[in-house]
Amino acid sequence: GAVVSQHPSRVICKSGTSVKIECRSLDFQATTMFWYRQFPKKSLMLMATSNEGSKATYEQGVEKDKFLINHASLTLSTLTVTSAHPEDSSFYICSARAPSANEAFFGQGTRLTVV
Amino acid sequence: DAKTTQPTSMDCAEGRAANLPCNHSTISGNEYVYWYRQIHSQGPQYIIHGLKNNETNEMASLIITEDRKSSTLILPHATLRDTAVYYCIVRVARLGGTASKLTFGTGTRLQVTL
Repeated sequence: GAVVSQHPSRVICKSGTSVKIECRSLDFQATTMFWYRQFPKKSLMLMATSNEGSKATYEQGVEKDKFLINHASLTLSTLTVTSAHPEDSSFYICSARAPSANEAFFGQGTRLTVV
Repeated sequence: DAKTTQPTSMDCAEGRAANLPCNHSTISGNEYVYWYRQIHSQGPQYIIHGLKNNETNEMASLIITEDRKSSTLILPHATLRDTAVYYCIVRVARLGGTASKLTFGTGTRLQVTL
């Protein structure tokens, strides 16, 4: 299957700082990528849909000024958690789908810990 | 997208078949059944999907009832590495855009034991 890579896999940051997470589709072009967040023992919750060359679409309750999404190319989307707080600590996962495919592929996830 | 109902957890002995049920009684005619799994601390992994015919690939088989209101994912010979949360998702298989998003329920936690 197609490969989606996230970086970093783990990050620890201080409260008040910003953290950038990258999501890359390695062997296909993705016009649309998705960002999810998952708290311990909970299911994945969609945060936003990232569209190449345009503004992201955020789900209800997700602060767009706090979670900045940039999808500058067909193979890269970034999620920046701004002014991170301990409650932002979570597992962040991206997914992407090749235009000709019906299934989505997921990155390995990024474990963010804010201290 | 249609809602799905899955058992919270299941156990399966290693080497035996794991049969994971999913109820999707409100499924529409143009909605597919997708299965993903998530091994602890990893991103979800695509397993299989189908519309109305039974499907099989190298990972699993998908059996969809004739009325399409339920389905069963079958792992023919479960191993310890199959221990994961399995998600059954129903959605329209459109190309691109927000229709591509997947809405995850709580899934079934499958524990494969020796």
